[in-house]
Formats: sequence, structure tokens, C-alpha cells
Amino acid sequence: DVKVTQSSRYLVKRTGEKVFLECVQDMDHENMFWYRQDPGLGLRLIYFSYDVKMKEKGDIPEGYSVSREKKERFSLILESASTNQTSMYLCASSFGGRALHFGNGTRLTVT
Amino acid sequence: GESVGLHLPTLSVQEGDNSIINCAYSNSASDYFIWYKQESGKGPQFIIDIRSNMDKRQGQRVTVLLNKTVKHLSLQIAATQPGDSAVYFCAEYNAGNMLTFGGGTRLMVKP
Repeated sequence: DVKVTQSSRYLVKRTGEKVFLECVQDMDHENMFWYRQDPGLGLRLIYFSYDVKMKEKGDIPEGYSVSREKKERFSLILESASTNQTSMYLCASSFGGRALHFGNGTRLTVT
Repeated sequence: GESVGLHLPTLSVQEGDNSIINCAYSNSASDYFIWYKQESGKGPQFIIDIRSNMDKRQGQRVTVLLNKTVKHLSLQIAATQPGDSAVYFCAEYNAGNMLTFGGGTRLMVKP
């Protein structure tokens, strides 16, 4: 089975802090994604990557950046956390145009 | 689309009955569809997928039906169990090869 592991289940950060969310997949998938999930708004794509050192903006990239230095790892960075970035963050990976496999999410609270 | 949390359509079924969850998709060029299950506090979990050259695909206790004429997708769960209680999402790969998530449906199984 594909395993997508997000390093933290819960995080509490203060406004203005730099926040790193880490994600690792173990199936040698080319593609990796970061979504946020909010009640009433569904899953929204922040950034994705089709290969090492490649990144593409999704639908809501503002306030975020990403890093993909190794194929198995995709990091989401909040340069200066704000309260409106309180959310559930979901990492996913896939091979080619196939189904995404998700991690269990990181619930981030920014106070 | 709308998703997890407030104001989700809810389907309530009796344990042991069959469940049918419906999804309308918008892009007639979409050629690959996926159903996900999301339990509380977890990330979306892949259930079953179907390509547009098929009308029906069966898994273990689940069947996906695709009606391209009316752009409709359904997930049937046989002999619904309490463990099936979750939010279910459909997703489609559109012409831009990006995954678009539909609105979720909350399935509640009554013992």
C-alpha cells in the first residue's frame, strides 16, 4: 500500500511564525500535492510538483511556498503564518494520471 | 465545491441496507473518475476508480456506475456497515489533467 506520511497531526503556531509542514511518500511517485481543507470550501490545491525541484502553483498559492529537494519529500512552507491559514493541510502523491493517495493531514492552528 | 464539515448533503441508511451516493460532474472531456472516503480526523482514502471507457466497475462491496450521457457518477455500497460512516467525495480528471473534487456526501449508518 502507498503510504503518505505527514510529520505532524496537530500544530499550533503564532502569527508571524515561519511554519514547515513535511510530507514523505514511500512509493516513488512522481507527483506530489498540497491541499487545504476547510468546512464549506472543500479541498483546494495550494501547490503541486511533478518532479524533483519542480513546483507549480495551484488555486490558492498566496502566502505559501514549497520545496521538493528529494523525490519522496514535499514540504509546504508558510513564510509568515496568519490566522486565516488555520486549516487542515493534506499532502498527496500519485503516479502519472492516477488516483491521488493522501496522508492523514496536519491540523494547523495559528493564534 | 463544498466539502467536509457543515452543510453537507447527508444520506442516512440502516445498517445492512444498500447505500447509493451520487455525484454530477461538469466536464464532458473528463476521462477518469475516483471515489474517496474520508473518516473524521483522517485524510481521504481511495475507494475505487473508473475510466470513461467503462460504465461499471465493482470492488469489494462497492460498485461505481458511470453515465456519461448525463455526466453522472454513483457509488453503491452493499450491506452498509457502521464503519462505512464517513464523507464520500467523487473526483474527476479534467482535460488539463488536474483532479477536481466534487461536493462531499456524509453517509450516516444507523445501527
